[in-house]
Amino acid sequence: GAVVSQHPSWVICKSGTSVKIECRSLDFQATTMFWYRQFPKQSLMLMATSNEGSKATYEQGVEKDKFLINHASLTLSTLTVTSAHPEDSSFYICSARGLTPQRGSSYNEQFFGPGTRLTVL
Amino acid sequence: QKEVEQNSGPLSVPEGAIASLNCTYSDRGSQSFFWYRQYSGKSPELIMSIYSNGDKEDGRFTAQLNKASQYVSLLIRDSQPSDSATYLCATEEGANNLFFGTGTRLTVIP
Repeated sequence: GAVVSQHPSWVICKSGTSVKIECRSLDFQATTMFWYRQFPKQSLMLMATSNEGSKATYEQGVEKDKFLINHASLTLSTLTVTSAHPEDSSFYICSARGLTPQRGSSYNEQFFGPGTRLTVL
Repeated sequence: QKEVEQNSGPLSVPEGAIASLNCTYSDRGSQSFFWYRQYSGKSPELIMSIYSNGDKEDGRFTAQLNKASQYVSLLIRDSQPSDSATYLCATEEGANNLFFGTGTRLTVIP
């Protein structure tokens, strides 16, 4: 399947600092990228949807000034957690959707990155 | 409010048996349906996508869709211990994002 990478895979930071997470589609152009958060033993929660070159659309209850999303190119989206606090500790996962010729150009499929585990002390 | 419902399990099956995972969805406008597998501590991995009523087979996996009943299922034949994971059902309508169920935890007993 299509490959989506995330960096870093895990990060530990002090409360009040900002953390940037990168999401890259490696073998296809991602017209849309999604950012999810998953707490232990819970399902994925969509945070925001971003389309290349436009502002992200945030889900209700997600603070756009705290979770800054930039989708500058068809292969890269970044999520910055600003002034992180312990309650922001979670598993952050991006996914990407776009034309994937190797799978018969199925547009609707989303492929997930490996996730970033954030721990805020 | 769109909803995707799954039995949280855990579902336990012996090795070699057929595991049957079920999912219902509330939005009749949903057009695309997906099954993802998520191992503990890992991100979801797409297993199957299905768009039309009927069965779709891929190796040991068969997805079944019944839009009239708003029901989608995943069958895993010859279950292996490595199939033990949480299986997430997801739907998508048009150009919207995925709506996930809470997942069914499957354990395949050697």
